[in-house]
Amino acid sequence: NAGVTQTPKFRILKIGQSMTLQCTQDMNHNYMYWYRQDPGMGLKLIYYSVGAGITDKGEVPNGYNVSRSTTEDFPLRLELAAPSQTSVYFCASSYSLVEGYTFGSGTRLTVV
Amino acid sequence: KQEVTQIPAALSVPEGENLVLNCSFTDSAIYNLQWFRQDPGKGLTSLLLIQSSQREQTSGRLNASLDKSSGRSTLYIAASQPGDSATYLCAVLNAGGTSYGKLTFGQGTILTVHP
Repeated sequence: NAGVTQTPKFRILKIGQSMTLQCTQDMNHNYMYWYRQDPGMGLKLIYYSVGAGITDKGEVPNGYNVSRSTTEDFPLRLELAAPSQTSVYFCASSYSLVEGYTFGSGTRLTVV
Repeated sequence: KQEVTQIPAALSVPEGENLVLNCSFTDSAIYNLQWFRQDPGKGLTSLLLIQSSQREQTSGRLNASLDKSSGRSTLYIAASQPGDSATYLCAVLNAGGTSYGKLTFGQGTILTVHP
């Protein structure tokens, strides 16, 4: 049982480049989330999904896009990378609204 | 808008001490509260989940309490060990307002337990 798997673990991007952060869970969880963590700032919600085909914006969605074509996968897309997107990105999932969250190990992204 | 505050921001204690980490939240309309541990450069590990109808949860040397009406939670760590050194995060799952169904995190308490 792998839980929540994120790839890649590290990435350096140049300004203006694009990339997709991958997130997969094998727990049949309906709810999936993307957070970013900046030093001393706590975690901020970027996007979330309550099931396949349904996504919605979180607190800091600008500069990102998501899709949820299957229950297992919830990729996060950065179209035009900016230095302000340098952060650690965490994907999480939960079975229902009131169940606890399971987090992936994170992707450390640097935009230069 | 829900706000979660953790006090203290950092704590350094000698091995063997009992300690308390505090978490407060401004909106009592929550489904649950979850305590996480984060080691440097790693992801978040769930420690304890307290539903809004519960008062406390225990796991080994950890005990978490919840007073929803006053907007407070504490994480009690008994007989601390150097391996407990990490950042501890508190998060509430909101049951109302614009943050409905979303987790709001505190900024964390950095705990160092020295031998």
